[in-house]
Amino acid sequence: DQQVKQNSPSLSVQEGRISILNCDYTNSMFDYFLWYKKYPAEGPTFLISISSIKDKNEDGRFTVFLNKSAKHLSLHIVPSQPGDSAVYFCAASVYQAGTALIFGKGTTLSVSS
Amino acid sequence: DGGITQSPKYLFRKEGQNVTLSCEQNLNHDAMYWYRQDPGQGLRLIYYSQIVNDFQKGDIAEGYSVSREKKESFPLTVTSAQKNPTAFYLCASSTGGESTDTQYFGPGTRLTVL
Repeated sequence: DQQVKQNSPSLSVQEGRISILNCDYTNSMFDYFLWYKKYPAEGPTFLISISSIKDKNEDGRFTVFLNKSAKHLSLHIVPSQPGDSAVYFCAASVYQAGTALIFGKGTTLSVSS
Repeated sequence: DGGITQSPKYLFRKEGQNVTLSCEQNLNHDAMYWYRQDPGQGLRLIYYSQIVNDFQKGDIAEGYSVSREKKESFPLTVTSAQKNPTAFYLCASSTGGESTDTQYFGPGTRLTVL
């Protein structure tokens, strides 16, 4: 039973436009959410995170929105660049000793110039 | 230059052999983790360690073993009991013990069983 779901396996966007990647979760105990970017045959790179006490966090071109009532979060990339093309993973955790991250299956973003 | 290193980058093993994957970090992090990634899948937790000389099983620990004798090192052994060991293995570390604990990943090891 997947606790973190990324229902869109892929997304194609033109350079300069907005990319919106979505993530849904089922466990209401999750209190910290993260987005990672991953290139093939490399480790994931941390992008941005958000605590459950917030509904928005912004870092440069990247903004994460959290809707707790809908158990939904999204990552907005504006403007999108060809170098943003990668697989994006949503992850979540519950604060307790020893808890690791629960990952979605990822969304492949392709940004065309 | 702080970070997480994993070696080797590519590893080939014959069926029935044990193999150990290395993970070292110089970030002074207390917590370390091993994940496995299969094609089209997210990362799944194998083992994690919050502190030296202590570790816990993750969701898919069967056929794997770990040790945590030093803070900076968390090697993973893939044993012959692991039924489908061919995968991309990722090690991560974090400060641990915080509600906003962020994990940072190494470059990964691609294991192929021949």
